[in-house]
Amino acid sequence: DAGVTQSPTHLIKTRGQHVTLRCSPISGHKSVSWYQQVLGQGPQFIFQYYEKEERGRGNFPDRFSARQFPNYSSELNVNALLLGDSALYLCASSLGTGTGEAFFGQGTRLTVV
Amino acid sequence: AQKITQTQPGMFVQEKEAVTLDCTYDTSDPSYGLFWYKQPSSGEMIFLIYQGSYDQQNATEGRYSLNFQKARKSANLVISASQLGDSAMYFCAMRERNRDDKIIFGKGTRLHILP
Repeated sequence: DAGVTQSPTHLIKTRGQHVTLRCSPISGHKSVSWYQQVLGQGPQFIFQYYEKEERGRGNFPDRFSARQFPNYSSELNVNALLLGDSALYLCASSLGTGTGEAFFGQGTRLTVV
Repeated sequence: AQKITQTQPGMFVQEKEAVTLDCTYDTSDPSYGLFWYKQPSSGEMIFLIYQGSYDQQNATEGRYSLNFQKARKSANLVISASQLGDSAMYFCAMRERNRDDKIIFGKGTRLHILP
């Protein structure tokens, strides 16, 4: 079975541009969460979606948005990119909300220049 | 408040020895889950083991076991017979049932396995 897949794996953008990151969860998993990991730190929660609805949002500006599609895949969008948005963006997949195992994709490494 | 504490920023262990990575947590929610993840230099966050707060027995997955001491709010990871490929960053993490499903991570422990 395929694990969590994210695309693209690497991305270079210029300040002020917009970026879209994609995530496909494990088959049967309905919950997708997004995390930002800057160098030297643990991941920080950005969003959680379950059954196409936003269930949680971390302390990130409105430039960050996301959505979940009927097939449970998800997109993370970031507008007006800043140098500080350079990070590894991780997507996590789990069966439902609350407790239970959560599996991450390989991440998208975004560099803003 | 949710909090995960990993007090060992780095550890050096001889190959084939067992290693214990420390993790303590703080929560007021009676229902929560604890995770350990391995992150090699490639960046992928690899799931190792999960322990639910109501699980009676400590979780085990191959060479990994989680030493869950609920009263002490401790969830240490034990790796038996360490291998060179175990060299990586290890994160302890927690998710509460009554929160917005976010997983809170500790600062991590960088493990170096010596040949």
